[in-house]
Amino acid sequence: DAMVIQNPRYQVTQFGKPVTLSCSQTLNHNVMYWYQQKSSQAPKLLFHYYDKDFNNEADTPDNFQSRRPNTSFCFLDIRSPGLGDTAMYLCATGQTTGATEAFFGQGTRLTVV
Amino acid sequence: RKEVEQDPGPFNVPEGATVAFNCTYSNSASQSFFWYRQDCRKEPKLLMSVYSSGNEDGRFTAQLNRASQYISLLIRDSKLSDSATYLCVCDGGYNKLIFGAGTRLAVHP
Repeated sequence: DAMVIQNPRYQVTQFGKPVTLSCSQTLNHNVMYWYQQKSSQAPKLLFHYYDKDFNNEADTPDNFQSRRPNTSFCFLDIRSPGLGDTAMYLCATGQTTGATEAFFGQGTRLTVV
Repeated sequence: RKEVEQDPGPFNVPEGATVAFNCTYSNSASQSFFWYRQDCRKEPKLLMSVYSSGNEDGRFTAQLNRASQYISLLIRDSKLSDSATYLCVCDGGYNKLIFGAGTRLAVHP
């Protein structure tokens, strides 16, 4: 059974049209991450939550926002997508104790046209 | 300098070959290290954690050298199904995980 679920799997949006990607988890993990992965590149951390504490990476554009209304759900909002935001967006969860490996959802492939 | 650096490859090897991937990290305070596998257009999946003493899981062996800030992954007796991108991952502190760009492996008959 999928433990980290992302919706939608594929999203096409117009340049400048706001889009929201969602992620839910059944693992009850404290930490939730959003990564952006472009073709042949490393997953790049955009931000992460430790419980409700939000941590933004310094180079994450202001265009990208996130919400975590409860432990299970996390959202990525892109306010005005540009063509350069076409990428796979990966949500992951993790615990804070012990070996804190991340468990990934299947990703949302976003195309901005 | 990137926080996690890997040779991008690709490594093209025949079935049965032994192949080794290397990774260096810049944050000397990193405590947790992992190797992930990523198939084309799929999400990364944990292959194995990397422990100070080194660890082995079947055909896969991971080593950590803290003094040199270096991690390795050895794959013995390569299978066609091992073809994928292998991502080196380190904790960046503050509950962050930082990924390398990955090393591509192609195993051919």
